[in-house]
Amino acid sequence: GENVEQHPSTLSVQEGDSAVIKCTYSDSASNYFPWYKQELGKGPQLIIDIRSNVGEKKDQRIAVTLNKTAKHFSLHITETQPEDSAVYFCAASIKSGNQFYFGTGTSLTVIP
Amino acid sequence: DVKVTQSSRYLVKRTGEKVFLECVQDMDHENMFWYRQDPGLGLRLIYFSYDVKMKEKGDIPEGYSVSREKKERFSLILESASTNQTSMYLCASSQRTDSPLHFGNGTRLTVT
Repeated sequence: GENVEQHPSTLSVQEGDSAVIKCTYSDSASNYFPWYKQELGKGPQLIIDIRSNVGEKKDQRIAVTLNKTAKHFSLHITETQPEDSAVYFCAASIKSGNQFYFGTGTSLTVIP
Repeated sequence: DVKVTQSSRYLVKRTGEKVFLECVQDMDHENMFWYRQDPGLGLRLIYFSYDVKMKEKGDIPEGYSVSREKKERFSLILESASTNQTSMYLCASSQRTDSPLHFGNGTRLTVT
């Protein structure tokens, strides 16, 4: 089955700096890559996603890039704010399959 | 907005008890999932269901069973709770496996 690895496990940045979280996947058939943000006491919430026919997607301060050849995708957060502090999960799935495969999460702390 | 509702935020049960975790979604989604979340291990899939009365084992099904009698409801059952089942349990739903997962806010189960 698919294996998703996520790095780093913890990340601290100064407010206003950028944060980058990286994930790799193993199954070349994976074609959907969502990113989730989990705040304390809540379930994960989708923040951005990308499909395999797209190389980059941006939504305000958040962007995701996908390199299908290298089988990796990254989350970029620019101009970080304290409310960006949370745990972030990457995931991969295959349309023909019926599972999502998650990374182990990155705990992001934005220092005011 | 999709809403996934888990019936309990916190549960404390004794070893050997039978435990029911209930989940309801209001968007007519085909797929429903139960995950377990533990520090450092990310989200691990226990069971999923892609249709009423259908179920598939995930990565860690031992000690658990599920029931999906109606499309909107997916129940996780711990037949005889054990202390190593103390965890956060997250329910999720999606229309397809290449569309976003929507999570509930989780049930924190403590087995003493």
